[in-house]
Amino acid sequence: AQRVTQPEKLLSVFKGAPVELKCNYSYSGSPELFWYVQYSRQRLQLLLRHISRESIKGFTADLNKGETSFHLKKPFAQEEDSAMYYCALSGDTDKLIFGTGTRLQVFP
Amino acid sequence: DSGVTQTPKHLITATGQRVTLRCSPRSGDLSVYWYQQSLDQGLQFLIQYYNGEERAKGNILERFSAQQFPDLHSELNLSSLELGDSALYFCASSPTSFSYNEQFFGPGTRLTVL
Repeated sequence: AQRVTQPEKLLSVFKGAPVELKCNYSYSGSPELFWYVQYSRQRLQLLLRHISRESIKGFTADLNKGETSFHLKKPFAQEEDSAMYYCALSGDTDKLIFGTGTRLQVFP
Repeated sequence: DSGVTQTPKHLITATGQRVTLRCSPRSGDLSVYWYQQSLDQGLQFLIQYYNGEERAKGNILERFSAQQFPDLHSELNLSSLELGDSALYFCASSPTSFSYNEQFFGPGTRLTVL
């Protein structure tokens, strides 16, 4: 079965601290993985996808097939990064499977 | 606004009733996806339509049904409502049927069943 696990419901850091939001997936094939973000009073939107191998707003995520992980990282958190972050997996179907999300709080 | 639109924003109804949620995709997008977000549940995929045809099905209850019309807008029908159906219902759209494409989300409809 395809599954996405985000073990942390809430992650709190201070501004300038490094951030790592964890995402583990369960899928036997080659996955497509995404991070979506929802800022306060805004719509859910794509942050980045692993096939693009890009850095968006200072965030990066590397697919580790050995550990079946796709953790989201940023070296120096900013207050405007406070949001709900969802990891998502696209496997061999047309479904996008989302994790339960992690709320990131960045304190000044 | 050429983004995904959803109506109504809020809906309050009683158990046993039936409601219809409406979604208009972005201009040019052929796929529409429906998701349910309950407390502590994250986004649960319900169903996908592509160009009027059902494309993929998730954990959608038999009491729920959806359709996509020729103008590509979609409706999600929820019947025999139960308290547990209270949730945020999101619609998303994308240009193609492939889930690896970026999905563009609407603002959601908050359903409260009393």
